[in-house]
Amino acid sequence: DTGVSQNPRHKITKRGQNVTFRCDPISEHNRLYWYRQTLGQGPEFLTYFQNEAQLEKSRLLSDRFSAERPKGSFSTLEIQRTEQGDSAMYLCASSWDRNSYEQYFGPGTRLTVT
Amino acid sequence: AQSVTQLDSQVPVFEEAPVELRCNYSSSVSVYLFWYVQYPNQGLQLLLKYLSGSTLVKGINGFEAEFNKSQTSFHLRKPSVHISDTAEYFCAVSDGPRGYNKLIFGAGTRLAVHP
Repeated sequence: DTGVSQNPRHKITKRGQNVTFRCDPISEHNRLYWYRQTLGQGPEFLTYFQNEAQLEKSRLLSDRFSAERPKGSFSTLEIQRTEQGDSAMYLCASSWDRNSYEQYFGPGTRLTVT
Repeated sequence: AQSVTQLDSQVPVFEEAPVELRCNYSSSVSVYLFWYVQYPNQGLQLLLKYLSGSTLVKGINGFEAEFNKSQTSFHLRKPSVHISDTAEYFCAVSDGPRGYNKLIFGAGTRLAVHP
């Protein structure tokens, strides 16, 4: 299977701890998106990468959040000093520049902050 | 700013009955519209998209949607549902080539198909 993969699938952490999630996009997809989905809501855009460049960040992405995409391949999303309000599903999606209207989503990482 | 409203949070329906999931959007410019489906504990899967051209769009699993510019709607329909269609459905609008094609989603509609 060559779809978008995300690790870990589930993460339980205590308030105040740091967590890092990884997303591996479909190979050769140069666009990568992070979204956050809370219970009962649709996904909300967090940030966007084109190759290794982070080109857009949502206001939802506070200073405690940082995302990287070194070498334009996989991406990491780190949350520092987690808060209970960070509990959500974090979704990654990728797309190919020539058909960038279709985004392929990974299964998500479910974060629970206790 | 663009936004999406899904008018029904839950839609119960019996197997083999028709279904319509309603979606309205707001945008001051041309839009690209999408319907995604999410099964439990899975990511989102694209059902269909409208970029331009024919206003009736056919997607996977027998779903179709009609783009209505005057009513700013993009309702999803299926003539006969199956138990396996039970899932969460999301309508989304893209900021298109003016931006980076990020998706703005509605809150979702939970379709529950009963035998």
